[in-house]
Amino acid sequence: NAGVTQTPKFRVLKTGQSMTLLCAQDMNHEYMYWYRQDPGMGLRLIHYSVGEGTTAKGEVPDGYNVSRLKKQNFLLGLESAAPSQTSVYFCASSRPGSATYEQYFGPGTRLTVT
Amino acid sequence: AQTVTQSQPEMSVQEAETVTLSCTYDTSESDYYLFWYKQPPSRQMILVIRQEAYKQQNATENRFSVNFQKAAKSFSLKISDSQLGDAAMYFCAYYSGSARQLTFGSGTQLTVLP
Repeated sequence: NAGVTQTPKFRVLKTGQSMTLLCAQDMNHEYMYWYRQDPGMGLRLIHYSVGEGTTAKGEVPDGYNVSRLKKQNFLLGLESAAPSQTSVYFCASSRPGSATYEQYFGPGTRLTVT
Repeated sequence: AQTVTQSQPEMSVQEAETVTLSCTYDTSESDYYLFWYKQPPSRQMILVIRQEAYKQQNATENRFSVNFQKAAKSFSLKISDSQLGDAAMYFCAYYSGSARQLTFGSGTQLTVLP
């Protein structure tokens, strides 16, 4: 099993450009999450999904959109990138009803917006 | 909303010694889970240990153990016989069963001195 994978690993954007980050998991997890990590801060939740076709806002959703068309994939979109969105982005997944509620994380995507 | 506070931005420990990382949280819920995650320079988020709030017994995983004080809303991590490989950023995290969200503290950077 690959676990949780993220594409791409690195990306540089110019202000105003758009892009999509792809998260894929092969553990048949229902729940998926997108976080951002900034220096000196922990991970902050952007959006999450509790099942195929459903999404919800997290703590810092502005400037981002998400889609969960397939259970194994969770896409994070930036329609018009801004320098404030320079960050490391992590995807995670988990299985509801598990005894542990553990979230499994991808390796992260480092995004720089100039 | 829940908050997680890690008051020690940096800690250091001598190899083979013991170190304790502090974490406090604020919640009005009764159903929740607490986690410690490790993030080495590779950026990968690695689960170290978990604690169910309904369990009074402190969790242990080999050299890692927690001191869970539910009334005080405190969840500290003790690392015994510290090893060079333990050097990393450590994040305390709170999982809300009702909100289905994980909230992270700001992290503690642990340095292990040879």
